[in-house]
Amino acid sequence: IQMIQSPSTLSASVGDRVTITCRASQNISVWLAWYQQKPGKAPNLLIHKASTLDSGVPSRFSGSGSATEFTLSISSLQPDDFATYYCQEYSSFSCNFGQGTKLEIK
Amino acid sequence: EVQLVQSGAELKKPGESLNISCKGSGSGFTNSWIAWVRQKPGKGLEWMGNIYPADSDTTYSPSFQGQVIISADKSMTTAYLQWTNLKASDTAMYFCARQVTIPWFFDLWGRGTLVTVSS
Repeated sequence: IQMIQSPSTLSASVGDRVTITCRASQNISVWLAWYQQKPGKAPNLLIHKASTLDSGVPSRFSGSGSATEFTLSISSLQPDDFATYYCQEYSSFSCNFGQGTKLEIK
Repeated sequence: EVQLVQSGAELKKPGESLNISCKGSGSGFTNSWIAWVRQKPGKGLEWMGNIYPADSDTTYSPSFQGQVIISADKSMTTAYLQWTNLKASDTAMYFCARQVTIPWFFDLWGRGTLVTVSS
């Protein structure tokens, strides 16, 4: 299963609402997770089962979608949100990741 | 609190062997799967394989099958990633991460082990 994220890079300002898309090459139902990774750090789980926020994740993050198309939205960007975001499918044993979306400060 | 503590950075030469480790502390380790994820410099995340420490059941990504060995020591609550013939292309950060079952998402991550292979 291939996971394609878009865009690869996204420039935005503090306070903006942004959306990142992840498309699967086949139906993965809702078996999708989103991670945030900052430079030199391990990824951090944000969302699983497409729309379930992990414990402690701010409510400005939200996920939606099913089957082959998914989105991660951040409602009002904070300075701490500038990072790289990855989607990951877990409908197959290969646990494939998207290539990542780098969210930069405009 | 459950944590995954990884071994320190390594600098090796091509052709050398290497074993890096991921030690779980707290409960919820031996009844979970532990995966290894590679990240080459400036690149994305790649799942390499995973292991169930309770019985050492192991699965590998086709991309990494035969290239690395994943093992675990249940009594030490430690998982290992082993190379017998390192290449420069193995230079990367290696993360271990927990999955409560497979396939599943990764809910807990180690800090990573940087492996540099250079002559």
